[in-house]
Amino acid sequence: DAKTTQPTSMDCAEGRAANLPCNHSTISGNEYVYWYRQIHSQGPQYIIHGLKNNETNEMASLIITEDRKSSTLILPHATLRDTAVYYCIVRVGPSARQLTFGSGTQLTVLP
Amino acid sequence: DGGITQSPKYLFRKEGQNVTLSCEQNLNHDAMYWYRQDPGQGLRLIYYSQIVNDFQKGDIAEGYSVSREKKESFPLTVTSAQKNPTAFYLCASSGSAGNTIYFGEGSWLTVV
Repeated sequence: DAKTTQPTSMDCAEGRAANLPCNHSTISGNEYVYWYRQIHSQGPQYIIHGLKNNETNEMASLIITEDRKSSTLILPHATLRDTAVYYCIVRVGPSARQLTFGSGTQLTVLP
Repeated sequence: DGGITQSPKYLFRKEGQNVTLSCEQNLNHDAMYWYRQDPGQGLRLIYYSQIVNDFQKGDIAEGYSVSREKKESFPLTVTSAQKNPTAFYLCASSGSAGNTIYFGEGSWLTVV
């Protein structure tokens, strides 16, 4: 699976949009971009994934650049409960045997 | 509710003892996984299973064992051969039709 690069930490004001970037310059054509988040002492929570089109669900939006070398996770109205470590992962499709988690971005939502 | 259940949440073990962590899923997923997470670190794959009665070693399988006798169950045994077993253990599963992996809430193992 391709390697990803994320900032170590970010702050965001409560009620504002949180934009979390991820670089995956070595991504292959059949690799998906996944986002998970993990609150301390809990299991990672799936947020969203995409291949090349932008995606939106009830939790977030995923914007993938046209060359697919980077993406941005957008939490439209951040709340204090969104404070967590956010992981960007690239992964081949259903045959993939694992997810490779890096260090992620610690997002802190400030009141 | 559908999901992945891990138990116990917290477990203490004396050195030299084996301990088994339970993982049950009612999502009808074919694949199941065990990960280990150390403080401030990412997840590392211990074992995975894509079908019943079959499993493969991950990156850090030494000192661990698993079984997959039923589709919904994938228990992990931490044996006395594991040199540094104190960690947070995560079980996960994924379906054959999609590639999203879902995680349980994790189990904390402390060796005393």
